[in-house]
Amino acid sequence: EADIYQTPRYLVIGTGKKITLECSQTMGHDKMYWYQQDPGMELHLIHYSYGVNSTEKGDLSSESTVSRIRTEHFPLTLESARPSHTSQYLCASVPSGTYNEQFFGPGTRLTVL
Amino acid sequence: DAKTTQPNSMESNEEEPVHLPCNHSTISGTDYIHWYRQLPSQGPEYVIHGLTSNVNNRMASLAIAEDRKSSTLILHRATLRDAAVYYCILGAGANNLFFGTGTRLTVIP
Repeated sequence: EADIYQTPRYLVIGTGKKITLECSQTMGHDKMYWYQQDPGMELHLIHYSYGVNSTEKGDLSSESTVSRIRTEHFPLTLESARPSHTSQYLCASVPSGTYNEQFFGPGTRLTVL
Repeated sequence: DAKTTQPNSMESNEEEPVHLPCNHSTISGTDYIHWYRQLPSQGPEYVIHGLTSNVNNRMASLAIAEDRKSSTLILHRATLRDAAVYYCILGAGANNLFFGTGTRLTVIP
């Protein structure tokens, strides 16, 4: 059973607020990912990390930023939320190795009013 | 990036087998074929993966065509819990997988 957590599960917030979406995993996985998904649509990779102090932007341009100070923690921050940021944000992790499955968290559904 | 083509939706009766097709005519020699599924209001979960040979696990079977240009995910007995969006994805490992829109499977009681 994968142990990857995301908080909050749901967040409704006003325009201009700073928010941080939390993602933690207790499996010691080196690789972590953030995806953005609108209802019924594809998942888009927005950030990834291959280990501590490593962060890269994904295929979809995003105004969010991430940090990876500890192996188990990969938070995503929006400095000034806008209605266009309304979406579901999914975090995933992968252990190092030749092939390993991605373990996903339950997601955070963000609504910006 | 090699892409996959899946039907938008499929229906199955409960307790019957389900065959979910996927076409990937531009697959490269190093691409694995991965299947994930996403239950309502949850993140995706891994189902199965393969390279050339057919694969079986406790969740499903994966049948891969000899030329690797198509594959089929087989659920042997669909249950209501199997209702989900199923994604067929190509990639050389579990990194940076492209999740398309998948096939929405409806299971009819």
